[in-house]
Amino acid sequence: GENVEQHPSTLSVQEGDSAVIKCTYSDSASNYFPWYKQELGKGPQLIIDIRSNVGEKKDQRIAVTLNKTAKHFSLHITETQPEDSAVYFCAASMLGSARQLTFGSGTQLTVLP
Amino acid sequence: GAVVSQHPSRVICKSGTSVKIECRSLDFQATTMFWYRQFPKQSLMLMATSNEGSKATYEQGVEKDKFLINHASLTLSTLTVTSAHPEDSSFYICSATQDSSHEKLFFGSGTQLSVL
Repeated sequence: GENVEQHPSTLSVQEGDSAVIKCTYSDSASNYFPWYKQELGKGPQLIIDIRSNVGEKKDQRIAVTLNKTAKHFSLHITETQPEDSAVYFCAASMLGSARQLTFGSGTQLTVLP
Repeated sequence: GAVVSQHPSRVICKSGTSVKIECRSLDFQATTMFWYRQFPKQSLMLMATSNEGSKATYEQGVEKDKFLINHASLTLSTLTVTSAHPEDSSFYICSATQDSSHEKLFFGSGTQLSVL
């Protein structure tokens, strides 16, 4: 089955700086890679996703890059703000197979004011 | 995005009692919903897949008689933790897909269960 590794487990940045979280996956058949933000005591919220037919996707301050050859993908947050502080999870699956969605171990991002 | 509502957000119960958690898709029909369990500072672990009108599919190691799932309508799935014990204390989260392609998952806000 799929195995998703996520690094770092914790990340602290100064407000305004950029944050990068990296994930690797093992199953070359995976073609859908979402990122979720989870605030304390709440469920995960989808913030951005990317399919394997594109290498990069951007939505305002958030961007995701995908390297299919190396089987890794990254989340980039620019101009970080204190409200970006949360746990971020990457995940991987095949399109049409949400049951097979495999999550990374999570990254606790802290944005220091 | 689609909205998934989960209730209650927090429940405290005595050992031996049963607890029901509801998961509703508010603005779309969800033929499939998923139930996860999350321990502190850990990732989500899929417990079962809830299919409308049919039996749930449980992941390996999950006791189906302990965690009863009912998906009676296209907008509602329930998880009942039967005869709860302290080791069942955890954060339970549901999710649903908005479309038949099962592409995007939208999560409920979670339920913190504490069994005394």
